[in-house]
Amino acid sequence: GAVVSQHPSRVICKSGTSVKIECRSLDFQATTMFWYRQFPKQSLMLMATSNEGSKATYEQGVEKDKFLINHASLTLSTLTVTSAHPEDSSFYICSAFPSGGASYNEQFFGPGTRLTVL
Amino acid sequence: EDKVVQSPLSLVVHEGDTVTLNCSYEVTNFRSLLWYKQEKKAPTFLFMLTSSGIEKKSGRLSSILDKKELFSILNITATQTGDSAVYLCAVKPNTGNQFYFGTGTSLTVIP
Repeated sequence: GAVVSQHPSRVICKSGTSVKIECRSLDFQATTMFWYRQFPKQSLMLMATSNEGSKATYEQGVEKDKFLINHASLTLSTLTVTSAHPEDSSFYICSAFPSGGASYNEQFFGPGTRLTVL
Repeated sequence: EDKVVQSPLSLVVHEGDTVTLNCSYEVTNFRSLLWYKQEKKAPTFLFMLTSSGIEKKSGRLSSILDKKELFSILNITATQTGDSAVYLCAVKPNTGNQFYFGTGTSLTVIP
């Protein structure tokens, strides 16, 4: 089955530092990956769509200079939270959408990264 | 504006009860509706529905879609404590790769 990994699973950092989160599709290629944020007891909020080889598409209200996305290969997308502040503390989940294919109706989620900014 | 709304927002039941979770949507150019279960970590896939009136079933869980009235229900019979989770509904349009997620229903099953 399609597996997506995220690293790290949990990170605690001081205010003002930058944090990088990696999302990898382990057994398939993904030209498109999504980054979501989820606050406690709330649904998934799409932050941006990461496209391999091109710029990410950000949702309204998401600062692209604060949440840097790089999709350098067909199996890896990274989200960097720059100058993190306590209000950025959240659960960040990526998902990968297989290229070309049969499962175009399904996206595969990573296990999520819990970010705590002190 | 495309949107997906789930109800109720939260639900507490006793083991053995049957629950029905609702998902209504307004999405341009509908393609499919998906149900996910989310416990502590990322959502896990339950069902994908594309056609009206065809029930999908997996054990005690079942789901059906009504494309005329633009909603879907997820039924869980004989609930168990392990069913406690947030249940998410998402709709995928025909164009683009984006999925629109609903607000989620938080289900708690007490012994």
